[in-house]
Amino acid sequence: QVTLKESGPVLVKPTETLTLTCTVSGFSLSNARMGVSWIRQPPGKALEWLAHIFSNDGKSYSTSLKSRLTISKDTSKSQVVLTMTNMDPVDSATYFCARIRIDDYGVDVWGKGTTVTVSS
Amino acid sequence: SSELTQDPAVSVALGQTVRITCQGGSLRSYYASWYQQKPGQAPILVIYGKNNRPSGIPDRFSGSSSGNTASLTITGAQAEDEADYYCNSRDSSGYHLVFGTGTKVTVL
Repeated sequence: QVTLKESGPVLVKPTETLTLTCTVSGFSLSNARMGVSWIRQPPGKALEWLAHIFSNDGKSYSTSLKSRLTISKDTSKSQVVLTMTNMDPVDSATYFCARIRIDDYGVDVWGKGTTVTVSS
Repeated sequence: SSELTQDPAVSVALGQTVRITCQGGSLRSYYASWYQQKPGQAPILVIYGKNNRPSGIPDRFSGSSSGNTASLTITGAQAEDEADYYCNSRDSSGYHLVFGTGTKVTVL
């Protein structure tokens, strides 16, 4: 069974850096056909893709957030880490990690998400 | 183009058919995937590629595409199909993902 689980702080202060970890099971981060995406959703709003990383360490970032995002993976730990710098209240959202297929970029398995609030 | 546009809301009578559309320039080059999201839950993939359903997705869900528009059709909508639906695809660069604006489906 493929699962992904997000972990990280519930509350961060403005200007701080957010670090989120996605721990996967049921598939390997070395699988050439799969990758991991981070996607967020502010309350009541649409999904927004942030970044993804593939087995060959290929990475892509949202154009609008690229300067603030870093994605990395530790294959041995089955973890993908996303950092977002200079957090602002508008970044308050539920953050999902999910498996993405390299063939069609379908996001086929999602974590349950973790809610992050940015407030002083 | 890096935008995918969906109608904000549609309604359908129980047992009837509803089509949800997604428009964007990148859809001329890439297929859309479709996701169902119920309140408080993570999205689930319902359609991917030309018209493929993941295991466990009922066959009343189908997808199609023409030009810059992708469509998700629910044939014989059920009460449990009431949810938000999002499309996504690669953007025109081919390296980034983009999600649609979302459509709220109400089953009457």
